[in-house]
Amino acid sequence: EAQVTQNPRYLITVTGKKLTVTCSQNMNHEYMSWYRQDPGLGLRQIYYSMNVEVTDKGDVPEGYKVSRKEKRNFPLILESPSPNQTSLYFCASSLSHPIYEQYFGPGTRLTVT
Amino acid sequence: TQLLEQSPQFLSIQEGENLTVYCNSSSVFSSLQWYRQEPGEGPVLLVTVVTGGEVKKLKRLTFQFGDARKDSSLHITAAQPGDTGLYLCAENSGGSNYKLTFGKGTLLTVNP
Repeated sequence: EAQVTQNPRYLITVTGKKLTVTCSQNMNHEYMSWYRQDPGLGLRQIYYSMNVEVTDKGDVPEGYKVSRKEKRNFPLILESPSPNQTSLYFCASSLSHPIYEQYFGPGTRLTVT
Repeated sequence: TQLLEQSPQFLSIQEGENLTVYCNSSSVFSSLQWYRQEPGEGPVLLVTVVTGGEVKKLKRLTFQFGDARKDSSLHITAAQPGDTGLYLCAENSGGSNYKLTFGKGTLLTVNP
């Protein structure tokens, strides 16, 4: 089954404790992206990757890091999480460019206390 | 960053009614996508429109792309409770631009 998986689905952590949210897709897609979704603010793009070792900032990259060492994986790293990063995070992938259909993961609900 | 405005922000209607939601921008789209998101899940693509004036139909849903490619609408005929969800539009300006910008969405509730 073609899918995007994210782990963990739920995470409660404390300020400053580094964490990684994993994202993996099995569709051989070149383009992958991370979004955060907040009430009243909609979906905002954090980082995206056009291919292995090629990443770029979205609209809200501050406080986040990403890497793309393999085509299928695109982890999101929070080196020092803060309460304002409490949010619902989605990973997505598409064929080669965002003009194509984005396939979204199930989401990760992160709470930073 | 291109700003996408969606309206209305909230819409609550009775089963069987028709409705239209809108997505507008100050700049020209290269392509526009409409997604629907149900609670607890990621968005799912409904349609992509790329040509000015384009109209696409998906069962009871009709999508229109404005002639000037700065606006789009989604019309639902005879809404059903299963249409309940958050409707999002997303745009990309194409070419070497790899960013995808979403509107804030329209939260639709269809009451039985």
